[in-house]
Amino acid sequence: AQTIHQWPVAEIKAVGSPLSLGCTIKGKSSPNLYWYWQATGGTLQQLFYSITVGQVESVVQLNLSASRPKDDQFILSTEKLLLSHSGFYLCAWSPPGGVNYAEQFFGPGTRLTVL
Amino acid sequence: GDSVTQTEGPVTVSESESLIINCTYSATSIAYPNLFWYVRYPGEGLQLLLKVITAGQKGSSRGFEATYNKETTSFHLQKASVQESDSAVYYCALGENSNNRIFFGDGTQLVVKP
Repeated sequence: AQTIHQWPVAEIKAVGSPLSLGCTIKGKSSPNLYWYWQATGGTLQQLFYSITVGQVESVVQLNLSASRPKDDQFILSTEKLLLSHSGFYLCAWSPPGGVNYAEQFFGPGTRLTVL
Repeated sequence: GDSVTQTEGPVTVSESESLIINCTYSATSIAYPNLFWYVRYPGEGLQLLLKVITAGQKGSSRGFEATYNKETTSFHLQKASVQESDSAVYYCALGENSNNRIFFGDGTQLVVKP
């Protein structure tokens, strides 16, 4: 069975500090990977997606970057956090093949508070 | 642009009553939209409830139904008789095959009273 793990569960960071959020998928080869963000009371927005190692497409510009260093790992980062980065970050995967209507499986999420 | 608008919550209904959560979409740059309902139960992760990829078709799961209506650009979620365990946040979403994008609505919190 496939499992998706996100770390950390929650993070409190200062404005201007760096950030790194991680996501690991086990039990599935070459998945499509996604990062989503939801501000408190806001809409769930897709930030990035990746269909293969080393390749990441940006969907929404939020002064964040993403990388896929391994087939099963997706990293979201920034060198300088803004207050507006606060919110809930979700990682998701879907089966390989590029078909979007395939079900996306979501991780438990990371709650980020920027002070 | 491409977007989804759904019923603003919270929606409160009593157990065994019927439910409809409205969802309309705009797919100006998507030739063949795929439509989804996702659900987040308390304490759980976001998960797919149902999906429909062809206009005119109906999807169903766990007693919920939604019909993809291209003429009215709608994908309303309905259930004939809700249960307390249906209390959750429901998200309507619009998908695009060509580049793996999904657009979510704001979510509708459903509260089912016993």
